[in-house]
Amino acid sequence: GAVVSQHPSRVICKSGTSVKIECRSLDFQATTMFWYRQFPKQSLMLMATSNEGSKATYEQGVEKDKFLINHASLTLSTLTVTSAHPEDSSFYICSAQQGWDTEAFFGQGTRLTVV
Amino acid sequence: DAKTTQPPSMDCAEGRAANLPCNHSTISGNEYVYWYRQIHSQGPQYIIHGLKNNETNEMASLIITEDRKSSTLILPHATLRDTAVYYCIVRVHQYSGAGSYQLTFGKGTKLSVIP
Repeated sequence: GAVVSQHPSRVICKSGTSVKIECRSLDFQATTMFWYRQFPKQSLMLMATSNEGSKATYEQGVEKDKFLINHASLTLSTLTVTSAHPEDSSFYICSAQQGWDTEAFFGQGTRLTVV
Repeated sequence: DAKTTQPPSMDCAEGRAANLPCNHSTISGNEYVYWYRQIHSQGPQYIIHGLKNNETNEMASLIITEDRKSSTLILPHATLRDTAVYYCIVRVHQYSGAGSYQLTFGKGTKLSVIP
């Protein structure tokens, strides 16, 4: 299958700082990328949908000013967690797909710990 | 509302076939059945998808009933590395606005392959 690379795989940051997570599609152009969050022993929850060159669409309850998403190219999307707090500690996962009628491929996830 | 129903957990002996069921009784005509799996602390991995015909690839087989209200994912010779949470998801293959073709994850089936 296609390869989606997510970086970093693990990050620890201090409360009040910002963290940027990158998601890259390595061997295909992704018109759409999705960002998910997964708390321990829970399923993936969609945070936002990002289409290249346009503003992200956020799910209800997800603060767009706190979770900044940029999808500036067909191979790169970034998620910035601003003013992180301990309750933002979670497993963040991105997925990318070439078109609306193709399968989505996932990154390996980023474990964020805010101390 | 959950669109699919899966048993919370299953065991399978190593080397035997693992048959994972999924009910999707409210599936609509333009919705595909997708299967992903998530090994602990990793991003989900695409396995297979189908509309109404049975599908097979190098990882698994997907059997969809004629009325499309249920399906079974078959791992023909389970190994210890197949231990994971398996997600059955229904998804449209058409664009009707941002996020219309997103993947919505339920709780999945935790498959344990036993030596």
